[in-house]
Amino acid sequence: QSALTQPASVSGSPGQSITISCTGTSSDIGGYNYVSWYHQHPGRAPKLMIYDVSNRPSGVSNRFSGSKSGNTASLTISGLQAEDEADYYCSSYTSISTVVFGGGTKLTVL
Amino acid sequence: QVQLQESGPGLVKPSQTLSLTCTVSGGSVSSGSYYWSWIRQPAGKGLEWIGRVSPTGYTNYNPSLRSRVTISLDTSKNQFSLKLSSVTAADTAVYYCARHLAATHTFDYWGQGTLVSVSS
Repeated sequence: QSALTQPASVSGSPGQSITISCTGTSSDIGGYNYVSWYHQHPGRAPKLMIYDVSNRPSGVSNRFSGSKSGNTASLTISGLQAEDEADYYCSSYTSISTVVFGGGTKLTVL
Repeated sequence: QVQLQESGPGLVKPSQTLSLTCTVSGGSVSSGSYYWSWIRQPAGKGLEWIGRVSPTGYTNYNPSLRSRVTISLDTSKNQFSLKLSSVTAADTAVYYCARHLAATHTFDYWGQGTLVSVSS
């Protein structure tokens, strides 16, 4: 299985909004609404931010939102804050009952 | 609060078998709502899903690792384990165990991760 495709890096200023894309195929993102997003600070374990394309776990800020169109999912962070600077990963369930991650996107808050 | 903790050798010789255990507290590995997964991350690189085990012991593995991986469950100890055979330097990574929600294929709780280096 091939990794989902994410931009290597994105950046934005405090208060702005950014969007991170995650592109797969009809065998993963396009075929199921089981897309999740995680953020990871250096030296820490990933933390779940979005599941089922657009649902937020309890405790996650509503500044984080997710969506999907066709084979591409997106994570939008509004009102950027310094603490949002981290690596972001998407994941999807696949047609062969596995899970595949994206390559990761480094978010820099300018 | 669910907690997961990885344990095992931090150094494995090439061609040998990497063995890790994940101990779960605050929840049961026998719960039908969850699978239990292993995920790894080489230094400076992205996440790679290795595989998962269900409460019944059913497993699914990443096709790229399937020939070398075994994941098993020990309900008596509330643990699950990873064995990766014939390791090479390319298997050097931080290994995470995680709770895998069966309904959404989401990882909601993670261990802190353990670094395993493959070197002679």
